[in-house]
Amino acid sequence: AQSVAQPEDQVNVAEGNPLTVKCTYSVSGNPYLFWYVQYPNRGLQFLLKYITGDNLVKGSYGFEAEFNKSQTSFHLKKPSALVSDSALYFCAVRDEAGGFKTIFGAGTRLFVKA
Amino acid sequence: KAGVTQTPRYLIKTRGQQVTLSCSPISGHRSVSWYQQTPGQGLQFLFEYFSETQRNKGNFPGRFSGRQFSNSRSEMNVSTLELGDSALYLCASSSLAGFSTDTQYFGPGTRLTVL
Repeated sequence: AQSVAQPEDQVNVAEGNPLTVKCTYSVSGNPYLFWYVQYPNRGLQFLLKYITGDNLVKGSYGFEAEFNKSQTSFHLKKPSALVSDSALYFCAVRDEAGGFKTIFGAGTRLFVKA
Repeated sequence: KAGVTQTPRYLIKTRGQQVTLSCSPISGHRSVSWYQQTPGQGLQFLFEYFSETQRNKGNFPGRFSGRQFSNSRSEMNVSTLELGDSALYLCASSSLAGFSTDTQYFGPGTRLTVL
């Protein structure tokens, strides 16, 4: 069965410092991995995805993520955090067997302090 | 291009009633998925429609149903509402091909409160 784990409920970082939001996954086939961000009272906004190819994926707003097959991880990163990055971040996974049944992690709340 | 729209944005119902939520996908998108978001359970997949056919279904009771029309607009219905159905219901649409690698684009959600 597919599953996604985001081990940290909350991540605190100072503005200008690098940030990492962790995600690990479990699927039976090749994983399709996604990161979304949610601001208060809003839907989810797509940040980036990994389908195949280069393990380092670049996305919107300066975010990037690194796919690590051996560690089954897909951590979200940004070199320099902004206060406006404070939001709820979701990692999600699909595989061919699951079709469009997207499984989301529990979410990680990011606080960026000025 | 207009994004995914959901109506209504807010809804208050009482236990035992039924409710219908609507989702209009991005123009040209043929896949629509529905998710329930609650503080306790997080984001849970309800079902997915592609070209008017339900392709995938999550682990929800039969009180939750949906359909998709020929113009790709989708509705979901919840009958005999329970307090636990209070949630943010999110709709997402995907591009033309309907592959599992497609990006899903989410609407703002409908906040349902059951009293």
